[in-house]
This record gives sequence, C-alpha cells and structure tokens, in this order.
Amino acid sequence: SQQGEEDPQALSIQEGENATMNCSYKTSINNLQWYRQNSGRGLVHLILIRSNEREKHSGRLRVTLDTSKKSSSLLITASRAADTASYFCATGLPDYGGSQGNLIFGKGTKLSVKP
Amino acid sequence: EPEVTQTPSHQVTQMGQEVILRCVPISNHLYFYWYRQILGQKVEFLVSFYNNEISEKSEIFDDQFSVERPDGSNFTLKIRSTKLEDSAMYFCASSVSGQGYTGELFFGEGSRLTVL
Repeated sequence: SQQGEEDPQALSIQEGENATMNCSYKTSINNLQWYRQNSGRGLVHLILIRSNEREKHSGRLRVTLDTSKKSSSLLITASRAADTASYFCATGLPDYGGSQGNLIFGKGTKLSVKP
Repeated sequence: EPEVTQTPSHQVTQMGQEVILRCVPISNHLYFYWYRQILGQKVEFLVSFYNNEISEKSEIFDDQFSVERPDGSNFTLKIRSTKLEDSAMYFCASSVSGQGYTGELFFGEGSRLTVL
C-alpha cells in the first residue's frame, strides 16, 4: 500500500449520523493532517495532529493517531449535507536537515451525506 | 480572510506549447508549493520553494517544469512543452512555516490545465 491510504474509498450516510474515515501510512511522520475538498475546488485544511499526540478535537471533528499502527481516523459527528466532500489525509515527513518537506496525500474518501 | 489566489482558473493548450500558471500566496507566508491532481486521482507534490530557491522537488518535476517568484507577490509554475499527461488540476499552496513547525498548507482553488 502507498503512504497515506484512506478507507473506505466512498462512504454514504444519512444526515445526523457519524462518519468515520481511516488513514494508514508507512513511514515515520512529523504530523498528519486532514483536508477536505469539495468537487472541483481547492483543498481546505481541517486539522493537524502531531506525531506525539494521540487525539485532537475541533468542533465536530475528532482525529486520532496511532503511531504504533501507523494509522489515523477522522470522525465527523452529527454529519450534515454540507459535509459532502472528499476527505484526504496527508502526512508530513520528519524535517531533516532544514528541508521543508512536503505533504504526501492519500487517495481520499468520498463522503456523501444524504439529507 | 487572506487566501491563495490562482490564475487562470482553466487553460486549454495544444501539446508542445508553453504554459505559465500564476499564484499569489498569502502575503506573510514564506513557503510555497505546487501540487497537481489528475482527474479522480490523488494530490501529488511537485515542488516546494523557500528563500527564492527550490527546497524540494518530486520525480514529476522534471526539466520541463520550472518555478519562479519574479516579484514579492507572484509565484509561477512554467511547463515548457506541455504533454497530454500534463492535463490536471494544479494547486498552489503556501505556509507560514515548513513541515518542522505548523505544517498547515493553505491551498488555492486550482488551475485546470487541459492539453489537447
């Protein structure tokens, strides 16, 4: 598998339900980030969790990180139709020797929230 | 709210032509990036730029690609001789600091390049 793989590839739920998306990666990371992309639009940063953190909350979002399993999950609680979008995890590699690095994105989970 | 702006939003070009995609990063950001996304596929890193030079580039960023910050505000991606497989959405991004610190990237809305 490649760095930053999300599952499921697609998720369809009803408004009000919770949506959980998972991400696995292969190498050591500095941080893991989740981005959202509405169809045909740019990526919007949602939340960043550092490698020494295990859980983080932001509004209706909850992110967990398990570095021993090299995995992360994004939970959106009480979903709304407006949450319909693709969600990507992106890993930031350790910053060695001044290189500013780059983010490695997964293929994304397409979330559809039905009203 | 400050945002990254990209122009053009859509460009159609003939194979072999040169294309320049333009970006205005957020004004107090120091790190600039280009990513691309082929339709339906993952977002791929092309290049990062800091202190007026390339700090990292991917295998995709071959000799056909170049980046420039010609003035204090613009950040451009040039594709010298476009190929069909260059058709993609190109995203510019900027950040206050590099990956070793906050790491959050702010993306523009993208420039869709169609090569015929």
